[in-house]
Amino acid sequence: KAGVTQTPRYLIKTRGQQVTLSCSPISGHRSVSWYQQTPGQGLQFLFEYFSETQRNKGNFPGRFSGRQFSNSRSEMNVSTLELGDSALYLCASSLGAGWRDTEAFFGQGTRLTVV
Amino acid sequence: AQTVTQSQPEMSVQEAETVTLSCTYDTSESDYYLFWYKQPPSRQMILVIRQEAYKQQNATENRFSVNFQKAAKSFSLKISDSQLGDAAMYFCALSNPNTGNQFYFGTGTSLTVIP
Repeated sequence: KAGVTQTPRYLIKTRGQQVTLSCSPISGHRSVSWYQQTPGQGLQFLFEYFSETQRNKGNFPGRFSGRQFSNSRSEMNVSTLELGDSALYLCASSLGAGWRDTEAFFGQGTRLTVV
Repeated sequence: AQTVTQSQPEMSVQEAETVTLSCTYDTSESDYYLFWYKQPPSRQMILVIRQEAYKQQNATENRFSVNFQKAAKSFSLKISDSQLGDAAMYFCALSNPNTGNQFYFGTGTSLTVIP
C-alpha cells in the first residue's frame, strides 16, 4: 500500500512569487491535513480537507489556501511568498470519517526555501 | 484552548537503557486522544503510540509505553531497551472532537542514543 506522497520534495522560490505543493493521500483516505513546521514555531496546523471541503482552518493569513480534488489529492498554495514562509510543509492523510478516525499518516514533506 | 508542552528539548540515552520523555497538556475536553510521533532525519512523522483519554489502561507498543495521568494532564513516553534507530525528534500531540483531525503538537524532544 503506497504511503502519503508529497511533491516536490524541495523547492526554492523568490520572495513575492507563489507556490503550489501537492499531496496524494493513502488510497481510500478522504481527509488531508497540512502543517507548517519551522524551528521557531514548531508544527502549526494550516487546514484540513475532507471530501473536497475545507473542514477546519488554522490561524494563517489568506495567502495560504488549499483545495482537494475528487480523488482526495490535495494542493496547497501560498501566494506573495515571504521569507518567513520558509519551512517544511507536511501533509497528513487519514480515513477521516469521524474524529476518532484520527490515525494520521504523514508524508515526507516539502522543504520550501524563500530567498 | 488546547496546548501541549514538552519541557525537554534534548535527551540522551545509552543503547539498551530506558529513557522517559515528558509531555503535559491542557484541554477542556473530557474526550480526546494523545499521541507520540517520531520524526527521524528523513522528516517523515511516524506514529509511535496512541492513548484514548477514556481508557485508564496505559497504551503499550512493544518497547514503547506511556504513563497517562489524566488528572495531572501528563502523558510521558517510556522507551525500553533503546536502539540506535530510536534516535529522532519525538512529538507529543493532542486531538479532540471539536477539532477533528487537527493535531496540537508540542515543541518536540530530540533523542540521542549513545552506542
